[in-house]
Amino acid sequence: AQKVTQAQTEISVVEKEDVTLDCVYETRDTTYYLFWYKQPPSGELVFLIRRNSFDEQNEISGRYSWNFQKSTSSFNFTITASQVVDSAVYFCALSENSGGSNYKLTFGKGTLLTVNP
Amino acid sequence: GAGVSQSPSNKVTEKGKDVELRCDPISGHTALYWYRQSLGQGLEFLIYFQGNSAPDKSGLPSDRFSAERTGGSVSTLTIQRTQQEDSAVYLCASSFSGLPPYGYTFGSGTRLTVV
Repeated sequence: AQKVTQAQTEISVVEKEDVTLDCVYETRDTTYYLFWYKQPPSGELVFLIRRNSFDEQNEISGRYSWNFQKSTSSFNFTITASQVVDSAVYFCALSENSGGSNYKLTFGKGTLLTVNP
Repeated sequence: GAGVSQSPSNKVTEKGKDVELRCDPISGHTALYWYRQSLGQGLEFLIYFQGNSAPDKSGLPSDRFSAERTGGSVSTLTIQRTQQEDSAVYLCASSFSGLPPYGYTFGSGTRLTVV
């Protein structure tokens, strides 16, 4: 069975600090997909990134970067020079094709990030 | 509409009553998912619809839960004889068929409180 672990329940940083959110996953499939979502206080889940299992290239998007390492089954997320607007709950999620076109997501428990001014 | 619309945004119901939650996906999105977000269990998959195919109901926690999707568009999640443990935020997501390159679009959810 697939599983996603976000060991950090809560993180608090001061603005402009760098912060890394950890994500470790378990799956038996060789083809799978990893996601990060942001959930601000408004409650809506906002898509940040999708990574395919066959593409281990790391990615940078502005202040955000992701480190995907299959050898350790990890998909960590780093925010550089954090800002107050980054305060939210961040979810890591794993998707496998469970048959047909169903790509349901298995989510981690989330990490609450608080960025203080 | 521009996004996934869910109604009501908040619902308070008495234990034992039935409730209906509505999801209006993005026009043209054939895939529709329901998830539940609760304090104890986090985000859990409930049910998946794809076009006119039989839904994947493997995530429904009990037979008190059911869902339908009419005309391949609007979906209704029904909870019968609500219990306090049903209190949660129910999220709907939609996408085009298959694995969406930019993720699924989620609605803002319905916060259900069973008293």
